[in-house]
Amino acid sequence: ETGVTQSPTHLIKTRGQQVTLRCSSQSGHNTVSWYQQALGQGPQFIFQYYREEENGRGNFPPRFSGLQFPNYSSELNVNALELDDSALYLCASSFDRRNTEAFFGQGTRLTVV
Amino acid sequence: QKEVEQDPGPLSVPEGAIVSLNCTYSNSAFQYFMWYRQYSRKGPELLMYTYSSGNKEDGRFTAQVDKSSKYISLFIRDSQPSDSATYLCATANTGGFKTIFGAGTRLFVKA
Repeated sequence: ETGVTQSPTHLIKTRGQQVTLRCSSQSGHNTVSWYQQALGQGPQFIFQYYREEENGRGNFPPRFSGLQFPNYSSELNVNALELDDSALYLCASSFDRRNTEAFFGQGTRLTVV
Repeated sequence: QKEVEQDPGPLSVPEGAIVSLNCTYSNSAFQYFMWYRQYSRKGPELLMYTYSSGNKEDGRFTAQVDKSSKYISLFIRDSQPSDSATYLCATANTGGFKTIFGAGTRLFVKA
């Protein structure tokens, strides 16, 4: 098991609602990246936070936003949920921005109905 | 065209077989290449990463990168039923922060 923990593990929301997902990074890691993984697909990069600043973003709309806290834990917020947002949301922490040796959490399974 | 292409399988092999998993990528700017293993209902687990071209070996696993053909491979020797999982290849740009994953190949190793 990695030291990356995500909460909650499962979540059901209604279309149009807002959701906040949380991630605690591994000790010593200052970088957190978030991914969306649809069923049968590889993870898609949402964004990365390095020392509390957004360091890069994938092709996701602004209703996907995030935060990183001084202890390097992180939140992913999604507003105005759509049915297509149903997926496994993964966070990964690493000791630098290169993300080449990233450790993933177990994910949060979000279902939008 | 996807930036990273990977055959989704499934690939089924007998225990002890040598497994070959492959991906192609489109952007010559990619410098970092990773292989992850993902068990059902778990997050991906990093197996290996390489920088630029060449081979890298770790136990039963060997990763190969051929930048001239934009082709990356993972070989698993003496495959075990516990190797049954989805294998994801991934690449990253020079800065390394944007990781792009393939769709994953499902591997089944039969006892």
